[in-house]
Amino acid sequence: NAGVTQTPKFRVLKTGQSMTLLCAQDMNHEYMYWYRQDPGMGLRLIHYSVGEGTTAKGEVPDGYNVSRLKKQNFLLGLESAAPSQTSVYFCASSYTVWTVMNTEAFFGQGTRLTVV
Amino acid sequence: DAKTTQPPSMDCAEGRAANLPCNHSTISGNEYVYWYRQIHSQGPQYIIHGLKNNETNEMASLIITEDRKSSTLILPHATLRDTAVYYCIVRVAGGHGSSNTGKLIFGQGTTLQVKP
Repeated sequence: NAGVTQTPKFRVLKTGQSMTLLCAQDMNHEYMYWYRQDPGMGLRLIHYSVGEGTTAKGEVPDGYNVSRLKKQNFLLGLESAAPSQTSVYFCASSYTVWTVMNTEAFFGQGTRLTVV
Repeated sequence: DAKTTQPPSMDCAEGRAANLPCNHSTISGNEYVYWYRQIHSQGPQYIIHGLKNNETNEMASLIITEDRKSSTLILPHATLRDTAVYYCIVRVAGGHGSSNTGKLIFGQGTTLQVKP
């Protein structure tokens, strides 16, 4: 049972390049999330998904796109990377919130992205 | 989602109880209180959650005031490994169709430093 796996763990991009971060979970969770964390700050929600084929905007969605074509995968895309997107990105997943007993979110170990 | 307010930092002596407060004065009836922590640069880790009753598990205790406007996370015997950023989050639980269903919003958290 791997939990939540993020790929890649590290990446350096040049300004204007594109890339996709992959989040995979093997817990059959409905909800998945993408966050970014900047130095000295808390986690900010970028986008989230409440089920396969659905996505929604979080607190800081600009410059990012997401897709949830399969229940176990949540992809975060940067179409044209900017230095302001240098950050650590975390993915998380959880059961639906009405499954009261098991609603805690599980997090991946993060992807450290640098845009130069 | 209700906002939470936490002190930015706290110190605790090793072996003593650490009491971390959180204000969530605008919490609504269908929102749970969750606590997570983030050690160094790892992904956040779930600690405990509750609705209105006090809760205890192997990691911590959660005390929620009767009016539910504030709560306290208690680490009964803090160790150096408990040094981390602790996040208090309120989250909608239950019901389809809520615009906030599924969102998991982090604040700035409290940096707990456990000292020898």
